[in-house]
Amino acid sequence: EDKVVQSPLSLVVHEGDTVTLNCSYEVTNFRSLLWYKQEKKAPTFLFMLTSSGIEKKSGRLSSILDKKELFSILNITATQTGDSAVYLCAVDDNQGGKLIFGQGTELSVKP
Amino acid sequence: DGGITQSPKYLFRKEGQNVTLSCEQNLNHDAMYWYRQDPGQGLRLIYYSQIVNDFQKGDIAEGYSVSREKKESFPLTVTSAQKNPTAFYLCASSRREGLYTQYFGPGTRLTVL
Repeated sequence: EDKVVQSPLSLVVHEGDTVTLNCSYEVTNFRSLLWYKQEKKAPTFLFMLTSSGIEKKSGRLSSILDKKELFSILNITATQTGDSAVYLCAVDDNQGGKLIFGQGTELSVKP
Repeated sequence: DGGITQSPKYLFRKEGQNVTLSCEQNLNHDAMYWYRQDPGQGLRLIYYSQIVNDFQKGDIAEGYSVSREKKESFPLTVTSAQKNPTAFYLCASSRREGLYTQYFGPGTRLTVL
């Protein structure tokens, strides 16, 4: 059965810390991996990763994919309270647009 | 503004009643999706539709029904057969060709009393 597993499930840090969120997957026909940020409401898109070893970067956030080891990490440097959210990892397994989501990592950044 | 709208934001219903959640998009996307989110869990797919007048069951379709009569609209009905309907419901849409990202609406929080 296809699955996506995120770790840790929750994390509490202080402003200025650097955090690494993990996402591992087992899918039959990998097409892409996506990261979303969810603050109470709609998940907002962060990154789409398709190729191994190529880092995607946006400000203090960055992400990389390892297709050999079947995982991805999301890094956030110099965290701010506005980074507090649930971060969702999802994999497109090339079955008509369906995404398989992990459980999410709840990040709390304390002042 | 282009985007996805869901209504209502909050919905309360008595047990045994059917309820319909609205989802509209003006992004000209072919594909639309319904997810359910429970506390501490990721999103689980209920139904999805790649084109008008066609839709497929997701992982947890029992107790739900959908229709896709227009490209812009994909309403979800939560029927009385759904045993635990209280949840946060998210609608999403995407292109259908190539590598595509799903974009989400703001969600509807349904509480069944």
